[in-house]
Amino acid sequence: AQSVTQLDSQVPVFEEAPVELRCNYSSSVSVYLFWYVQYPNQGLQLLLKYLSGSTLVESINGFEAEFNKSQTSFHLRKPSVHISDTAEYFCAVISNFGNEKLTFGTGTRLTIIP
Amino acid sequence: DTGVSQDPRHKITKRGQNVTFRCDPISEHNRLYWYRQTLGQGPEFLTYFQNEAQLEKSRLLSDRFSAERPKGSFSTLEIQRTEQGDSAMYLCASKTSGRINNEQFFGPGTRLTVL
Repeated sequence: AQSVTQLDSQVPVFEEAPVELRCNYSSSVSVYLFWYVQYPNQGLQLLLKYLSGSTLVESINGFEAEFNKSQTSFHLRKPSVHISDTAEYFCAVISNFGNEKLTFGTGTRLTIIP
Repeated sequence: DTGVSQDPRHKITKRGQNVTFRCDPISEHNRLYWYRQTLGQGPEFLTYFQNEAQLEKSRLLSDRFSAERPKGSFSTLEIQRTEQGDSAMYLCASKTSGRINNEQFFGPGTRLTVL
């Protein structure tokens, strides 16, 4: 079984400031890691994913996340946030042994302060 | 590709009533998933289908819940004798099979309120 912990339920950040959203996972088998974003009144959208290879993955809108196997973490970062980044962010895992379901964390609500 | 659609978007019902939700996946996707998201929590897996076969069910899916995907296209999720604890957002997602790392595409969800 897998579990995901997002310790920060809410993160307020000033516009153009950097942000880090923390994600830690627990699993007895190897996993794939994902960050999903949910904008107000919209469905979940994939932001980025780690499958294999380089431990640093990037999204098209400036977010990046680094897979750290020893610390079982997959923290999400952005060097400079914008008002449009206001959303809820969910970290999730899938076991790479054929278990198809996504296991999500409880989410972090990112609020950008003008 | 019109994305995953769900109907209705909102449903308010009285305790004890039955409700049914529909999900239309992306047309070429043969895998379909249902998740439930309660306030302050992340989505939790309920069940999934490959074509018309229901392959896995969560223990969260009590006997009052049933899901079908009769022709391997759209799916329905029915809740019988609703309880206030069933109030949640019900999310549907779809993907292609064969590669576990394929993205699951989510619909906008159906928000259920049980009074």
